[in-house]
Amino acid sequence: DAMVIQNPRYQVTQFGKPVTLSCSQTLNHNVMYWYQQKSSQAPKLLFHYYDKDFNNEADTPDNFQSRRPNTSFCFLDIRSPGLGDAAMYLCATSSHHTSNQPQHFGDGTRLSIL
Amino acid sequence: AQSVTQLDSQVPVFEEAPVELRCNYSSSVSVYLFWYVQYPNQGLQLLLKYLSGSTLVKGINGFEAEFNKSQTSFHLRKPSVHISDTAEYFCAVRGTSYGKLTFGQGTILTVHP
Repeated sequence: DAMVIQNPRYQVTQFGKPVTLSCSQTLNHNVMYWYQQKSSQAPKLLFHYYDKDFNNEADTPDNFQSRRPNTSFCFLDIRSPGLGDAAMYLCATSSHHTSNQPQHFGDGTRLSIL
Repeated sequence: AQSVTQLDSQVPVFEEAPVELRCNYSSSVSVYLFWYVQYPNQGLQLLLKYLSGSTLVKGINGFEAEFNKSQTSFHLRKPSVHISDTAEYFCAVRGTSYGKLTFGQGTILTVHP
């Protein structure tokens, strides 16, 4: 089945130690998104790629970076994680920028900071 | 810009009872509307969407929603819930031209035996 896969499902890192979360998709979608979801809150968009064009949300901290080396893969890098960055990180894709296309989500990576 | 308000943060119901999860939105432009479900420790799964046409849309797992433009609402309903429907439900909107998906704060549906 075509899908969005996030690895790992659970990630533990130390305060200040860089961490990378990965997302892959077999849907061949143009657009890939990264969301941060804290406990009992709605997902918050961090940034997205339309093909290779990177779009950062205005309130995304500089600590968060992303890479998309090809259509299938997208990475979220957190350069110096703080305790406040503990959250579920969701990757999503959509086939086009047009608004009527739903987003397809992976199962998320739950990040814990020690 | 758009905003979404889910009027109930938690909805407890008994199995086989009907349920309605309420969603109101605010927008200065035309929107598309979506409902997503999130089971514990999983990502979001699309339940249904309203793009145009009939205001009553049917989705997966027996859910349906009705778009009411005058009341700017998109309430989700199911006539008879199952234990397996226990999850968090998110209403979301997006402008028809372009814009990011804006989520409501979520409603936790708990179905009791």
